[in-house]
Amino acid sequence: SQQGEEDPQALSIQEGENATMNCSYKTSINNLQWYRQNSGRGLVHLILIRSNEREKHSGRLRVTLDTSKKSSSLLITASRAADTASYFCATDEKDSSYKLIFGSGTRLLVRP
Amino acid sequence: KAGVTQTPRYLIKTRGQQVTLSCSPISGHRSVSWYQQTPGQGLQFLFEYFSETQRNKGNFPGRFSGRQFSNSRSEMNVSTLELGDSALYLCASSLAGGPIEAFFGQGTRLTVV
Repeated sequence: SQQGEEDPQALSIQEGENATMNCSYKTSINNLQWYRQNSGRGLVHLILIRSNEREKHSGRLRVTLDTSKKSSSLLITASRAADTASYFCATDEKDSSYKLIFGSGTRLLVRP
Repeated sequence: KAGVTQTPRYLIKTRGQQVTLSCSPISGHRSVSWYQQTPGQGLQFLFEYFSETQRNKGNFPGRFSGRQFSNSRSEMNVSTLELGDSALYLCASSLAGGPIEAFFGQGTRLTVV
């Protein structure tokens, strides 16, 4: 499979807690993105980090990228029940910029 | 601004039949990509089109094909359907040069019986 790996596969936390999910990928990339998917619907773009960036913030989201380890993490702070969804990382490779390679996803449940 | 529109939303087909799915990108977006999502294989890239040209294709059999029209709308076709083709098919559009900040439609849920 071309997919990257994400862990954990599933995460259950209490509202207000932070959620951290990790993504590993296999090849050199141009960019890494995180997407959210609610219950088998379309994906919503959350944040993009370029290969020459190490950290990026957007609202309650913080993304880090370590290209030497080919890994990224997504931190959601002060989680809300509405954050319950599946989260996917996606990379576009240096030699193939016209497709996204998705990770296997993390299912996040935020309990009220 | 209208989002990415996929039609139909749900589809039930019989093995051996063929199916055509449609995707209308966000106005001004010229790149359209298609992905298949299944519980077992996750999200897998099918193909990407830009200005009516296929620029990349995933590892799917020739039964899967697509095209893009001059107005950037895209269709994908699956012939001789198999049970394993049951999946959520997602279309994504982006402005120009590829998958940067792709905007996804709600998908077409295809069930093959």
